[in-house]
Amino acid sequence: DAKTTQPPSMDCAEGRAANLPCNHSTISGNEYVYWYRQIHSQGPQYIIHGLKNNETNEMASLIITEDRKSSTLILPHATLRDTAVYYCIVRAPGGSYIPTFGRGTSLIVHP
Amino acid sequence: SAVISQKPSRDICQRGTSLTIQCQVDSQVTMMFWYRQQPGQSLTLIATANQGSEATYESGFVIDKFPISRPNLTFSTLTVSNMSPEDSSIYLCSVDSWVAEAFFGQGTRLTVV
Repeated sequence: DAKTTQPPSMDCAEGRAANLPCNHSTISGNEYVYWYRQIHSQGPQYIIHGLKNNETNEMASLIITEDRKSSTLILPHATLRDTAVYYCIVRAPGGSYIPTFGRGTSLIVHP
Repeated sequence: SAVISQKPSRDICQRGTSLTIQCQVDSQVTMMFWYRQQPGQSLTLIATANQGSEATYESGFVIDKFPISRPNLTFSTLTVSNMSPEDSSIYLCSVDSWVAEAFFGQGTRLTVV
């Protein structure tokens, strides 16, 4: 049970912002939202994570709604190399965590 | 961050044979995980490998088919035994770092013919 739902696919024009939504309506108060991506035939790559505040790093921004039931990963200027499957995961901090992956969103960035 | 080296990166094997996949981490980690990703599918957890104890297998995966070793805190192996074409998948090892990010190897693409 991945506890998250994402659209199966999206597309975006190169240079434009890619906004990938994720629903996690059953998220617990201490669970973080994590995003990973998997470029074809490679291992998943960590992108960003957050609890309730919006987060930004060199790869992306994460916007979490006030009720924490959904979030959006934003790639501000998508490139062709951002074409990948993006996975949204919720997890509690600390301890031992086993990532459980849903189907993710297949993002295609086109010229 | 942890750096994970996984070998081999790909292999083509005859049915009925076995393949052992190696996973080396550049730092000591408590838990290592093995995943399978069948063509066009998401990642499915096979088992969790702790050093000094037997691996814990998820439903649908058994030790006889996927024996796992974890001799120390930086290394693990997964063997795919008595292979059939249905075992053709990408196999990935993963570790959970102390900063709570999961890191993955680059995967082993296995084709069984």
